[in-house]
Amino acid sequence: GAVVSQHPSRVICKSGTSVKIECRSLDFQATTMFWYRQFPKQSLMLMATSNEGSKATYEQGVEKDKFLINHASLTLSTLTVTSAHPEDSSFYICSATPPTSGTQYFGPGTRLLVL
Amino acid sequence: AQSVTQPDIHITVSEGASLELRCNYSYGATPYLFWYVQSPGQGLQLLLKYFSGDTLVQGIKGFEAEFKRSQSSFNLRKPSVHWSDAAEYFCAVGAKNAGNMLTFGGGTRLMVKP
Repeated sequence: GAVVSQHPSRVICKSGTSVKIECRSLDFQATTMFWYRQFPKQSLMLMATSNEGSKATYEQGVEKDKFLINHASLTLSTLTVTSAHPEDSSFYICSATPPTSGTQYFGPGTRLLVL
Repeated sequence: AQSVTQPDIHITVSEGASLELRCNYSYGATPYLFWYVQSPGQGLQLLLKYFSGDTLVQGIKGFEAEFKRSQSSFNLRKPSVHWSDAAEYFCAVGAKNAGNMLTFGGGTRLMVKP
């Protein structure tokens, strides 16, 4: 089956620093990847659609300068939380869709804690 | 706009009992429908999906779901629940030609009593 990995699984950082989260499709190429944010005991909220070789598409209300997305290759998308603040603490999940499958496969998530 | 409703926030069943998790969607065309399961602190695992064809779809771990167009529903069922099934379950709807974007329901937390 399709496998998506994320790194790191957990990260703790100080307020004001930047954190990079990687999302990789391990056994397929993905021209599109998705980034979600999930608050405790809530559903997933789509933040942005990452497009290989072009700019990401952000959902309404998501600050593009705050959450930088880079999709430099067909197997890697990165989400950088810039100048992180405690309110950015959350669970971030990425997903990717193998070509022609029509199905999103999710990474294991990254727990971010900003102190 | 598409939307997904999971009416039950929490459900508790006894181990060995049958299970049905409800999902209702709103979408203008024939949707792609999915059920995912999430264990605490983990990502989402695909249980099953419906694109077309037979409206009763089988998934992993003994789960099945039935697409009922007239009721705009895609309920998830399992005849006999195991303690390991305790998790959060998400129903999602996607559009065939919308870049595979998904809209998720609010989730149903399943607890299993011994």
